[in-house]
Amino acid sequence: TQLLEQSPQFLSIQEGENLTVYCNSSSVFSSLQWYRQEPGEGPVLLVTVVTGGEVKKLKRLTFQFGDARKDSSLHITAAQPGDTGLYLCAGGAVGSSNTGKLIFGQGTTLQVKP
Amino acid sequence: IAGITQAPTSQILAAGRRMTLRCTQDMRHNAMYWYRQDLGLGLRLIHYSNTAGTTGKGEVPDGYSVSRANTDDFPLTLASAVPSQTSVYFCASSDSSHPRSTDTQYFGPGTRLTVL
Repeated sequence: TQLLEQSPQFLSIQEGENLTVYCNSSSVFSSLQWYRQEPGEGPVLLVTVVTGGEVKKLKRLTFQFGDARKDSSLHITAAQPGDTGLYLCAGGAVGSSNTGKLIFGQGTTLQVKP
Repeated sequence: IAGITQAPTSQILAAGRRMTLRCTQDMRHNAMYWYRQDLGLGLRLIHYSNTAGTTGKGEVPDGYSVSRANTDDFPLTLASAVPSQTSVYFCASSDSSHPRSTDTQYFGPGTRLTVL
């Protein structure tokens, strides 16, 4: 069974600080997605990475897929209160790339204080 | 455009009762999914459907059944609810005739279910 472990599970920081969230596995994934979820709502896709070593930037958010496609990171520069939420990584299992089946990490709850 | 709607928003249910969670999408997406979200466990796939008329099992299918009679609707049924099925349930869909793990999944607002 493929698993994705996210760390840290909880993070509380001040506005303007930088942070990194990690998503790790002992298994190879065909692709990796990051979602953000706000209270009372469903997750919303932020980014998809598919190539080992790939880096994508979305304004102040930087996403990286590990060279071996076993891990990923999300870095936020100068965090804002609007970044507060639950961040979820989700991987496409090798062998399931021709389905939409995803394996989700347990999530990282981020609180950015003004 | 409503996207994905789920009903009910929340429900308290006695153990042993039958319950159907409704999910409807108006985006004409081929693939649909049901997840449950539990604290500390993230989202886990219950069942999925790549296209109308077909369904498949996810990670945690036991105690749940689904049907996909048409493109828009994907109901999830708990035949005899148990307390361990207390969770928040999310329905999602993706637009692909050949679903892939790189597809964007669009999620509904969720149903909070409590089984006593």
